[in-house]
Amino acid sequence: LAKTTQPISMDSYEGQEVNITCSHNNIATNDYITWYQQFPSQGPRFIIQGYKTKVTNEVASLFIPADRKSSTLSLPRVSLSDTAVYYCLVGDPYTDKLIFGTGTRLQVFP
Amino acid sequence: SAVISQKPSRDICQRGTSLTIQCQVDSQVTMMFWYRQQPGQSLTLIATANQGSEATYESGFVIDKFPISRPNLTFSTLTVSNMSPEDSSIYLCSFLQGSGYGYTFGSGTRLTVV
Repeated sequence: LAKTTQPISMDSYEGQEVNITCSHNNIATNDYITWYQQFPSQGPRFIIQGYKTKVTNEVASLFIPADRKSSTLSLPRVSLSDTAVYYCLVGDPYTDKLIFGTGTRLQVFP
Repeated sequence: SAVISQKPSRDICQRGTSLTIQCQVDSQVTMMFWYRQQPGQSLTLIATANQGSEATYESGFVIDKFPISRPNLTFSTLTVSNMSPEDSSIYLCSFLQGSGYGYTFGSGTRLTVV
């Protein structure tokens, strides 16, 4: 199975930029890399999705190097409401299954 | 975009009993997915439910323990059967919203087995 690694936790302060990296050394070549945000007692919520290079939407940017062995979610100017767990979702090249990363708990302080 | 609703949001059940979780989407979707999320852990896919065929289960999950129904393109149920405390977890349903929009998840069912 594809193996993913994310930092267990990260701390930040309001207004700072936060970058969360997911390492995925062997993923399906044709699948998107997707990031989700999850608050307590809620299901994961889609943030952003990309295939390679850089993608930006109104809430985040996603950087994917050419070898696709990692991806970095960038949250500009975080606020207290960005405190949540963030997951990457990648495709496994052997089973065609989608696999969630281990998750990164982001705590934003005032 | 389509909206998914899931119920119950939580339940406390006696061991040996069964609980059925329901998910309703406000538009037709081809596949629905059921996940388990143990406390503090990531999500693990239980099975994929297609309308008109048996669900496809992932390794470690079996139909007798987690029977799934998919009577139409907007609805699915997951039953957790003969529950034990080890089944205490959050169960979530989801569907693919569309290319570029990822998967949409229900709010989850927090199950506690006592």
